[in-house]
Amino acid sequence: DAEITQSPRHKITETGRQVTLACHQTWNHNNMFWYRQDLGHGLRLIHYSYGVHDTNKGEVSDGYSVSRSNTEDLPLTLESAASSQTSVYFCASSGQTAGTSGSQQFFGPGTRLTVL
Amino acid sequence: GEDVEQSLFLSVREGDSSVINCTYTDSSSTYLYWYKQEPGAGLQLLTYIFSNMDMKQDQRLTVLLNKKDKHLSLRIADTQTGDSAIYFCAERPSGGSYIPTFGRGTSLIVHP
Repeated sequence: DAEITQSPRHKITETGRQVTLACHQTWNHNNMFWYRQDLGHGLRLIHYSYGVHDTNKGEVSDGYSVSRSNTEDLPLTLESAASSQTSVYFCASSGQTAGTSGSQQFFGPGTRLTVL
Repeated sequence: GEDVEQSLFLSVREGDSSVINCTYTDSSSTYLYWYKQEPGAGLQLLTYIFSNMDMKQDQRLTVLLNKKDKHLSLRIADTQTGDSAIYFCAERPSGGSYIPTFGRGTSLIVHP
């Protein structure tokens, strides 16, 4: 069965370190997204990609970067981790044709990141 | 731009019906989604409706759309403790970007 996975599921790091969160999907979706989820803010879009070598900034992109070298993966890098980046991070993917699912997003299980 | 609003909490007794409400602002033809998030997990699509429909039913779930008031509701019949979760409403205009706008989520608490 197709799926979307994230690793690690939990990560503790120190302020100033570079951290990379992995996202891998086997849906063969062109669209991939990174969100962070914080109490009181809901889901906020960090970066997204509509295909290989395409990346775009979301509403909270400062301090984060992504790269898309193949269809399956969209790693999220925190260049220099800050305590304000402590959050739960979700990766999602979606297709580009509405079909029978309205181009719904499929979400990964999340990565809980703590920056000390 | 789009904006999606939902109440933050709902508490119901097991066996009762739950109704979770959502309002949206986009005026174009749009997809409207309901996602469920269980503790420690990602969001999973429960159902979706296109804006040319008024109602959609799927087992215990009923989605009602009032286009005039831009109001969407999710009714869960015979609510069970396993339905306790956060429910997110989202909209995505058809023919536009692939980025949905999410509400902040409604925490449904089901008590015995």
